[in-house]
Amino acid sequence: DSGVTQTPKHLITATGQRVTLRCSPRSGDLSVYWYQQSLDQGLQFLIQYYNGEERAKGNILERFSAQQFPDLHSELNLSSLELGDSALYFCASSVGVNYGYTFGSGTRLTVV
Amino acid sequence: SQELEQSPQSLIVQEGKNLTINCTSSKTLYGLYWYKQKYGEGLIFLMMLQKGGEEKSHEKITAKLDEKKQQSSLHITASQPSHAGIYLCGADGTGTASKLTFGTGTRLQVTL
Repeated sequence: DSGVTQTPKHLITATGQRVTLRCSPRSGDLSVYWYQQSLDQGLQFLIQYYNGEERAKGNILERFSAQQFPDLHSELNLSSLELGDSALYFCASSVGVNYGYTFGSGTRLTVV
Repeated sequence: SQELEQSPQSLIVQEGKNLTINCTSSKTLYGLYWYKQKYGEGLIFLMMLQKGGEEKSHEKITAKLDEKKQQSSLHITASQPSHAGIYLCGADGTGTASKLTFGTGTRLQVTL
């Protein structure tokens, strides 16, 4: 157990639907990062939050949004889902620079 | 934006053999991270390198960051089936750890 908790582990939903992925960072970590991993694109950075504020943004689609709550857990919202959104979504947390990231076990999203 | 190229893309080695995986960056590396991923699972942090010429070891895995800080190598000595998986290098191209960019990964299989 890495200390980063992601729920649910698996999600199957239909095109056009909306889902929410949840991440609880490791205790003491203020930064949360979201990544998408697909077979053709590899591991792609989506967005980072630090202590409730958006800190960095990657190739995140407008249909996707995220937030970090006062208790530091984070949610990634995916809407108007398309088949191509099927992927593994990882959350990682970090205490700061020089300490690397700790990844959760991921949420496997399948859009049918 | 920073790009990371890993080579080889895949590798099959016999148990007991040594192997090397390379990670080359298009820009100067401020921090280079090695992770291992078992198929469809989360990423496990292996090592972080920051200074040119730095070398770190953990059990039978050694990673080096070259002097010019644009390339890193991961060397496994006397490979075992437990070493099988996908090895990913991640780089911090800004020095702020605001996000890590990952290479496409090297898939390692260890045969008996």
